[in-house]
Amino acid sequence: QTVVTQEPSLTVSPGGTVTLTCASSTGAVTSGNHPNWFQQKPGQAPRALIYSTTYKHSWTPARFSGSLLGGKAALTLSGVQPEDEAEYYCLLYYGDSQLVFGGGTKLTVL
Amino acid sequence: QVQLQESGPGLVKSSETLSLTCTVSGGSISYHYWSWIRQPPGKGLEWIGYIFHSGSTNYNPSLESRVTISVDASKNQFALKLSSVTAADTAVYYCARVVVGSTRKWVDPLGQGTLVSVSS
Repeated sequence: QTVVTQEPSLTVSPGGTVTLTCASSTGAVTSGNHPNWFQQKPGQAPRALIYSTTYKHSWTPARFSGSLLGGKAALTLSGVQPEDEAEYYCLLYYGDSQLVFGGGTKLTVL
Repeated sequence: QVQLQESGPGLVKSSETLSLTCTVSGGSISYHYWSWIRQPPGKGLEWIGYIFHSGSTNYNPSLESRVTISVDASKNQFALKLSSVTAADTAVYYCARVVVGSTRKWVDPLGQGTLVSVSS
C-alpha cells in the first residue's frame, strides 16, 4: 500500500515563508505524479490550490507556489497571511489507476 | 461552472450498505472522471475510487472489495455503494471531478460533503 507523507504540523509568522513537502513511499515524487495541493479550513470542504506540480487554479493567490524539491513535491507560501492558517493536503497520482492523499499538514500562523 | 452535490442517508446501520448519489450541474457527466473521497471526523482525506464516464472504474485497494461506483448519464449523476459498513466508515463523503488532460491532472470541484454516520 502506497503511503504519502507530509509534515504533521508547521508554524510560520505572518509575512514569513514556509514550505510544506509531500513524499512518496515508492520513491522520488516526479512530475508524472501530478502533485495536487488542497487547503482545508475547519468545517469546509477542501479547496484545490495547485495541480500538476506548479499550475495554479484561477482563484489561487499568487503567494502560493508548487515545485519539486529533493525528490518531494513542495508547496511554498510566501508572505503568509493569517487567513492561510489551515490544513493542507497533497494528492499524488500513480499511473492511470490510483490516487493517494497525504496525511495533511496543519499550518499555524503565529 | 460545474457544481457537485452529494445526497443520501446520513445514518446507516452497521453491516448494511452505504449509498450516496452525486448530482452534477453546470456541465455534462459525459466527460472526465468522477470520484468519491471521504474524511473521518478529525482525520485526513482518503480517496475511495473513480469512474470514467464510459463506466470503467478504479478503486482504493483497501476498499475495493466493498466499493461500487456507478454512473447514470441520463440523470447526470454518479453513485457510491459501500457494503458491510462499520463505525470506521463514519466520515464526511465528498464527490469530485477528476480532470485528466494530456499533460495535466487535477481534482476540482468537490462537493460540499455529506456526513454519514454508522450506528450499531
